[in-house]
Amino acid sequence: NAGVTQTPKFQVLKTGQSMTLQCAQDMNHNSMYWYRQDPGMGLRLIYYSASEGTTDKGEVPNGYNVSRLNKREFSLRLESAAPSQTSVYFCASSAIQPQHFGDGTRLSIL
Amino acid sequence: GQQLNQSPQSMFIQEGEDVSMNCTSSSIFNTWLWYKQDPGEGPVLLIALYKAGELTSNGRLTAQFGITRKDSFLNISASIPSDVGIYFCAGRDSGGSNYKLTFGKGTLLTVNP
Repeated sequence: NAGVTQTPKFQVLKTGQSMTLQCAQDMNHNSMYWYRQDPGMGLRLIYYSASEGTTDKGEVPNGYNVSRLNKREFSLRLESAAPSQTSVYFCASSAIQPQHFGDGTRLSIL
Repeated sequence: GQQLNQSPQSMFIQEGEDVSMNCTSSSIFNTWLWYKQDPGEGPVLLIALYKAGELTSNGRLTAQFGITRKDSFLNISASIPSDVGIYFCAGRDSGGSNYKLTFGKGTLLTVNP
């Protein structure tokens, strides 16, 4: 009963490197989301996919791209990582609401 | 953008005490959610509320959807050490997307055994 699975759990990058964060859900949910969590900022939506084949920008999309690979998988890509993108990234999925979260990817960019 | 005011920011209590926290919004919401986040893990859904005035319990936790539809409350009775964590409220704006939630900044709860 995995729910939402994120890989990797930890990653350290150098400025300018690229990276794809993976997310998969086994709850047959139509919608998937990517958030970042920073101290004192709460959870901020980066991108979401309301259904397979669609993606939309959230509150903080700059510097990121996403791919909804199929109903189960939604990936987040950093093309040229910057120190400001150091954060904890959470993937979530839902039928509509509520959203269910993975355990996060802790990303540090030096 | 839409913001939620969650208070208090932190609480330090003794085991066995009751806890109350709340969230308020500037606009009307049609869904209120309460999550708990343990260190190193993702938020876990505690309670979901969908109707104004709704009062829902989950064990020692009780949450209410305010009748103005602009606030929600979470109470924890007889706290225990494993209640430690960050509690987040989240809401869906009635005038916004079905898919977007607005999150509060969290209440950090510490329970002294």
